[in-house]
Formats: sequence, C-alpha cells, structure tokens
Amino acid sequence: DAKTTQPTSMDCAEGRAANLPCNHSTISGNEYVYWYRQIHSQGPQYIIHGLKNNETNEMASLIITEDRKSSTLILPHATLRDTAVYYCIVRVTTDSWGKLQFGAGTQVVVTP
Amino acid sequence: NAGVTQTPKFQVLKTGQSMTLQCAQDMNHNSMYWYRQDPGMGLRLIYYSASEGTTDKGEVPNGYNVSRLNKREFSLRLESAAPSQTSVYFCASSEFVGLNQETQYFGPGTRLLVL
Repeated sequence: DAKTTQPTSMDCAEGRAANLPCNHSTISGNEYVYWYRQIHSQGPQYIIHGLKNNETNEMASLIITEDRKSSTLILPHATLRDTAVYYCIVRVTTDSWGKLQFGAGTQVVVTP
Repeated sequence: NAGVTQTPKFQVLKTGQSMTLQCAQDMNHNSMYWYRQDPGMGLRLIYYSASEGTTDKGEVPNGYNVSRLNKREFSLRLESAAPSQTSVYFCASSEFVGLNQETQYFGPGTRLLVL
C-alpha cells in the first residue's frame, strides 16, 4: 500500500469548512484513497473513499487531483463533534480481507 | 443494528492472568479483525479472520490467540498477560462495497491494563 503524508494538526472554526490535505505521490493506479477518523476514546469510523473521481456523501467530500498524487477531505460545516484524528489511507483490497495501515493522521480541533 | 460490540469495556489483570476479549457483529460481514492501539500510536493488526473457520496472524500476534466461533463472533485470548499488552483493543468487521473496495467498521474498544 502507498504511503501517505498528512499535516500533524490543524484548527478549524465551528461552522466553517475544514479542508484536510493528504499527499500520496506513490499511489498505484488501482489503489483507492480512504478516510477514517477517530474521535477520542472511540473506535475509528469510516468517512469516505474514492479512486479518481470526486466523491460526496452525508459526512464529507473527497477531492482527488487529476494525477492522483494528493487529495483533500472536506468537512463542509465543521461542528465541535468533528474534533478527531483523521487518517488518510491508500490501499487496494485484492484478497478477501484487508489490513488498514494507520499512520499518525491529522489532529483536527474545531473551536467555537 | 448494534454494529460491532465488544466486551468487556475495561479490564485490569495481573501479570500472568488470562482473559478473553469478546467481539460480535450483526452486519453479516465475512471478515473480522483485532487491532491494538497503544497511547499516542496508530492501530496495529493482531489477527484477522477472512471468513468463518479461518484465522491468520497480523503484524503483532505474539502473546495472543483467536477463535472465529461463527460468522458473528471473533474472540481474542491472552493466555498469560504481560504489562506490554496494556493497550486499547479494537475489533472490526468489513464488507466489500465494490471491486477491490472494502470498508471496516470498528467496535468501541476494550481498555486493558496489565499490572
């Protein structure tokens, strides 16, 4: 699985959009970009994933650059409950199982 | 749906004691996982089960055993607990949402302290 690079931390004002960058310059053509988050003391939570097209769901939007070497997770209207560590993971599941390789992630703090 | 449930939530053991962490999922997923997370660290895979009846080692299996009792349940056993096994343990199950695309769902965790 390709390695990812994320900023260590970032702050965001409540109600504003939070844009979380991720670099994955060694991504392979069949690898997907996944985002998970972990709120303090809870288990990780799946947010969104994509291959090359931009994706949106009820939680967030995912923007992947045309060369697929980087992506941005967008939380459109951050709330205090979005304070968490956000993990960008690049992988492809070719077997009947898959191991998630969690890096250090980005600590996002949403302030009032 | 309860999702992924884990018991117990907290446990304190003395060195050398044994215990079993329980995990169950009600989403009819084939694959299940056990991870551990040490303070300030990312998750590391202990064991996984691709399907009922199969289990395989992850990256940190030493000191642990697992049982895939049925499709719903996947237990983790510490035969002789050591202080190095103090950690938060997360169970997860996964589903395939498309070709080569898999999402994992995690339980709330079990916090284990070994004295």
